[in-house]
Amino acid sequence: ETGVTQTPRHLVMGMTNKKSLKCEQHLGHNAMYWYKQSAKKPLELMFVYSLEERVENNSVPSRFSPECPNSSHLFLHLHTLQPEDSALYLCASSQDRGANTGELFFGEGSRLTVL
Amino acid sequence: GQNIDQPTEMTATEGAIVQINCTYQTSGFNGLFWYQQHAGEAPTFLSYNVLDGLEEKGRFSSFLSRSKGYSYLLLKELQMKDSASYLCAVRGGNYGQNFVFGPGTRLSVLP
Repeated sequence: ETGVTQTPRHLVMGMTNKKSLKCEQHLGHNAMYWYKQSAKKPLELMFVYSLEERVENNSVPSRFSPECPNSSHLFLHLHTLQPEDSALYLCASSQDRGANTGELFFGEGSRLTVL
Repeated sequence: GQNIDQPTEMTATEGAIVQINCTYQTSGFNGLFWYQQHAGEAPTFLSYNVLDGLEEKGRFSSFLSRSKGYSYLLLKELQMKDSASYLCAVRGGNYGQNFVFGPGTRLSVLP
């Protein structure tokens, strides 16, 4: 139990569907992240939110749309995805400032399959 | 650009010592992190270096040389449960929140 909860854990969707991934952190952190993990590829940073403002957006296709309504919740809205978007989507949080290392705490991930 | 390299796979014997290397070239540097990831699980934090030198934490130690863009993770007294992927990550970016991960090293510990 890392204090970061992701739902759903598994999701199968067609290319025309709209779905959302949800992440909630119970650690009081001020930054939240979405990462994509594909087989045989490094973890790819998708989005970073700090104090609910998006501070990084690594050229992610517009079919992925993040939303951060408050510092504890992060969503990834999915729309007209492609089969190559099938991957493990990991949410993470960190405490960016203060006397700490600021390491990432990851959720268990949402395994997405696009048919 | 940003580039982090690690060996893809390593094998070691239970009770032995193994060193996993990581080299990096990144725009901005605000710390180097090592994570462990067991198959089907989330990555978990192992160690953090921001200054040159060795950080020791039980059976695990991590070393950093910023001038060489080099780090290693040293695992002593290997146990079967240490079989996992080990991810090197560098934190940089404008706000110090851009964590860039290497490809990970899959370590197999054999009896």
